[in-house]
Formats: sequence, structure tokens, C-alpha cells
Amino acid sequence: AQTVTQSQPEMSVQEAETVTLSCTYDTSENNYYLFWYKQPPSRQMILVIRQEAYKQQNATENRFSVNFQKAAKSFSLKISDSQLGDTAMYFCASLIIQGAQKLVFGQGTRLTINP
Amino acid sequence: NAGVMQNPRHLVRRRGQEARLRCSPMKGHSHVYWYRQLPEEGLKFMVYLQKENIIDESGMPKERFSAEFPKEGPSILRIQQVVRGDSAAYFCASSPPLSEQFFGPGTRLTVL
Repeated sequence: AQTVTQSQPEMSVQEAETVTLSCTYDTSENNYYLFWYKQPPSRQMILVIRQEAYKQQNATENRFSVNFQKAAKSFSLKISDSQLGDTAMYFCASLIIQGAQKLVFGQGTRLTINP
Repeated sequence: NAGVMQNPRHLVRRRGQEARLRCSPMKGHSHVYWYRQLPEEGLKFMVYLQKENIIDESGMPKERFSAEFPKEGPSILRIQQVVRGDSAAYFCASSPPLSEQFFGPGTRLTVL
């Protein structure tokens, strides 16, 4: 069974600082994707970044990057030069490529960027 | 190319009534997924459908909940005889085969 765990319910940093959100997962599969989604107060689910498990190189999207440690089953998100608009809930999720194709989400981390 | 559409955005029902939630996938997407988000929780998978077929409904409650994705028209998530515990945000996502899922804006269901 897939499980995703986010151990930080809330985090708060000052604008322009760097923040890292933690995520661990468990799966017996070899072929999977990992995602970070952002959910602002509007509640829209916005894809932040995606990592294919077969790729060793960590994914990067502008100010967002991940530290993917496959052996440790760890997938943390780093936000550099944080901005007020980054304030949101952040969800880590996994998806097995074969089979049901369902996303399994963590419990979320509420991130607040303070001015 | 319009994104995933969901309507209504907000739905209020009294206990015992029926709720119908609609989802129109992105153009060209043949796979639809429904997720439920209870307050202060992450999204939980409910059901995965392709046109006219339910592929995986392992996350659906055994009673009162059903889903369909007909050949023509939107996907429908139907909740019969709603109870207060059904109050949640219901998200639909769509995708092409073996690709990332794109989410709709969600329907917030409130049961009085």
C-alpha cells in the first residue's frame, strides 16, 4: 500500500527566506511519480513540481526544488526567496504509474510567509 | 483549452436530500478521478473512471455514493440521502493515459 507522511503541520518564515517542507513515502513499487501541490485559500489544487522516480536528478521549477532521496523514501520541497504569495497549504503526493493511477496525499503543511 | 470544470462550486443540502456534483474534464482527457477533502485534511481518492467504465472505486463509501462518466456529457458524483458527515470539498481531476492529473476548482458541499 502507498502511504505519504508530512510531519510538519505548520511552518512560518519571513519573506525572502528559504524554507524546506518534509515528506516521506512508502511504496513497494519501482515505477512511480512524486508531486508537490499547493492549495491557496481559493482551494484550487496547483501542481508545483513533479519528480519521476527513475530520474536521479532532482526536479527544479524556478524558486522551487526538491531533494529526492529514493533509498530513504524522502521527497522534500525547498522554496527559495519565499514570497507572500507562497502562503498556502502544501501537499505531497505519490502516484503509481501502473494500475489504479490514484494519487495518495499526505496530510499537508500549512506554510505562512510573513512580511 | 479550458481547464477542468466543476459545478456547482458551492452546494447546500439538507439531511436526506440528494447531491449531484458535475465534472467536465479537459479536452482530450479520457480519465476522470474524484477526491474528497474533509476540513483540515489532505485529499482522499474516491473513484477512477474512464468513459462508460469504473476502473477503481476502492475509495467510495459502500452505500449512498455512486459515480458515472457517460459517453457524452460530464462525469457525475451522486450522493443520496446526504448526512452531515458528507460535508466536504469534492475535487475532480482529469488526465490523458499515464500522465499527470489536472484538478478542477472543487465543489464545496455543506449539509445542514
